[in-house]
Amino acid sequence: DGGITQSPKYLFRKEGQNVTLSCEQNLNHDAMYWYRQDPGQGLRLIYYSQIVNDFQKGDIAEGYSVSREKKESFPLTVTSAQKNPTAFYLCASSRDRGREYGYTFGSGTRLTVV
Amino acid sequence: DAKTTQPNSMESNEEEPVHLPCNHSTISGTDYIHWYRQLPSQGPEYVIHGLTSNVNNRMASLAIAEDRKSSTLILHRATLRDAAVYYCILKGYGGSQGNLIFGKGTKLSVKP
Repeated sequence: DGGITQSPKYLFRKEGQNVTLSCEQNLNHDAMYWYRQDPGQGLRLIYYSQIVNDFQKGDIAEGYSVSREKKESFPLTVTSAQKNPTAFYLCASSRDRGREYGYTFGSGTRLTVV
Repeated sequence: DAKTTQPNSMESNEEEPVHLPCNHSTISGTDYIHWYRQLPSQGPEYVIHGLTSNVNNRMASLAIAEDRKSSTLILHRATLRDAAVYYCILKGYGGSQGNLIFGKGTKLSVKP
């Protein structure tokens, strides 16, 4: 079955360290997205990518970086510049960014800074 | 900014229909109405979407007002597994309008 795989499910990071979250999809989707969710809140968009080798900042991109070298993969790096990185991170993909296409989400990575 | 307004929470009894309302008075003529739901500690799940006409699928029905300023997600027989946060989102053309922007949604509780 096609879908999105996020790994790891849980991640612990020491303050001052960079960490990379993995997101892989086998849906042949062009567009991919990263969201952050804090407890009791909705999702906020970090970065999105419409095609390979192209990505755009979302609403809260500061302290994060991404790459899109392959269609299937869209890793997110949480850098030491992110002041409050503890959160639930969700990756999604869609056929493209057309208004009629829905998103498929992964099961998320829960990042905790210790 | 979220362009939709939903109640913070709703309750339902198991096996009864549930009508989840959403107001979107500033909707543009090209915006699609999307609904997602999120179970605790999981990623959101696509439920249904539509433009002008009412839509049905195996999960739910979407009723869209004639002026498109409001819509209602209908779960025909609620089960305990339907307890989740339901998000109503407008999706438009290009740029940031082409992204899903999530509000706080409606938290649905289902009582046995």
